[in-house]
Amino acid sequence: QVQLQESGPRLVKPSETLSLTCTVSGDSISSYYWSWIRQSPGKGLEWIGYTYYSGSTNYNPSVKSRVTISVDTSKNQLSLRLNSVTAADTAVYYCVRSKRNMVATFDYWGQGTLVTVS
Amino acid sequence: DIVMTQSPDSLAVSLGERATINCKSSQSVLYSSNNKNYLAWYQQKPGQPPKLLIYWASTRESGVPDRFSGSGSGTDFTLTISSLQAEDVAVYYCQQYYSTLLYTFGQGTKLEIK
Repeated sequence: QVQLQESGPRLVKPSETLSLTCTVSGDSISSYYWSWIRQSPGKGLEWIGYTYYSGSTNYNPSVKSRVTISVDTSKNQLSLRLNSVTAADTAVYYCVRSKRNMVATFDYWGQGTLVTVS
Repeated sequence: DIVMTQSPDSLAVSLGERATINCKSSQSVLYSSNNKNYLAWYQQKPGQPPKLLIYWASTRESGVPDRFSGSGSGTDFTLTISSLQAEDVAVYYCQQYYSTLLYTFGQGTKLEIK
């Protein structure tokens, strides 16, 4: 059974960098697209971006200038960095896998981690 | 951006009755080259992440009960629960994956028991 576990600081100060790691167990990170999705009461579900196991990425234009998503196949992990955060970045952040051979159909989700910018 | 609009925002249905949730996209999500609708449905229960129910607008994900079905094409889609069970209480989201620039979700529909 595939499991995704997000980890990282739960509280980030305004203007600083939000950093999260997702550890994948139960399957290899290879051959899949991996996304970060966040959910806040005000904006619902928002796709942040994805990385392919090869390292290629695609980002939501609304955060593109501030975000980096990367993958470490040796550790079976992916990471999210979001710079210059504001209160608007407060949300539950999910690490998510897409179905095989699909880019953005999300079949496995982490439990999510609430990150508060304050 | 493709805007996804769901209706209603909430609904209450009696146990055993049919529940219908609608989703409208601001532009077609039907890809003509393969005749597939790039539309998925998710279920989110309180305190849990979303769960994939349906993709390609009508293909049920493995393990999803057959009382869940998806239909529609182009810009108008429907998620139907044929006979509502207590465990179906949740918020339901549609999502388009047609636009590779930005994948977007509907605002959600809260389903409750009447």
